[in-house]
Amino acid sequence: EVQLVESGGGLVQPGGSLRLSCAASGFTFSSYWMSWVRQAPGKGLEWVANMKQDGIEKYYVDSVKGRFTISRDNARNSLYLQMNSLRAEDTAVYYCARGSGQWFDPWGQGTLVTVSS
Amino acid sequence: QSALTQPRSVSGSPGQSVTISCTGTSSDVGGYNYVSWYQQHPGKAPKLMIYDVSKRPSGVPDRFSGSKSGNTASLTISGLQAEDEADYYCCSYAGSFFWVFGGGTKLTVL
Repeated sequence: EVQLVESGGGLVQPGGSLRLSCAASGFTFSSYWMSWVRQAPGKGLEWVANMKQDGIEKYYVDSVKGRFTISRDNARNSLYLQMNSLRAEDTAVYYCARGSGQWFDPWGQGTLVTVSS
Repeated sequence: QSALTQPRSVSGSPGQSVTISCTGTSSDVGGYNYVSWYQQHPGKAPKLMIYDVSKRPSGVPDRFSGSKSGNTASLTISGLQAEDEADYYCCSYAGSFFWVFGGGTKLTVL
C-alpha cells in the first residue's frame, strides 16, 4: 500500500523555524517527484514546493521563496521541508504528496503547523 | 499567481448530475492540459479524482468526468450519491513550474 506519513508540525513563534518530515512507503520513492501542499484553517489548498527525483531541481511558491527549503533523502525514502522565518500566515496543515503537480496522489494525513506568540 | 475561480457551493439531489467549474486564464487553465481535481471530505486528506483534464485514476468511479473549454475546466459528477458530498478543488499548471489551486467548491447532496 502506498503511504505517506508526515511529522514535525507544532506550535512555533513568529520568526521561528520548524522541519517537517514525510516518510514514504509502498512505492519506489526515488522514481517520483514529491511535493508539499498546505491548507490554512478553513481555507483552500495551496501548492508550496516540489522536488524532482534527483533532489536537485526544485520549485517554490513565491510566498515561501528564501524561507522554506525542500529536500529529500532517497536512501531513507523521506521528504523534508525546512521552514524558517515563519509567519502567522504560514499557519496551516501541511500535506506531503507524491507527484509534481500534474497530479498529487496520494496525500499524507497532514501535519499542523501553528505560528503564534 | 492568483487562485483559480470556483463556485463556493453547488448542490444536487441523489441521482442527479452536477458540474463544478474552474475558471482561470490563458496562462494557466487555458494554456495547458494539466488540470486535476481533488475531493476532500471533512478532516481528511484530498483524493485525486481527475488529472490531465479528463483522465480518471484507477478506482475512481466513471460517474466522475472532466473537461475543458478555453480558460474554464469542469468536473461533472453524474448519478450523485450521498458519499459524494465533499469539497472539490481544481488545480492547474500555471507555467514557470508553478501550480495553482482553485478556492474550492462545497458540494451538498440534498
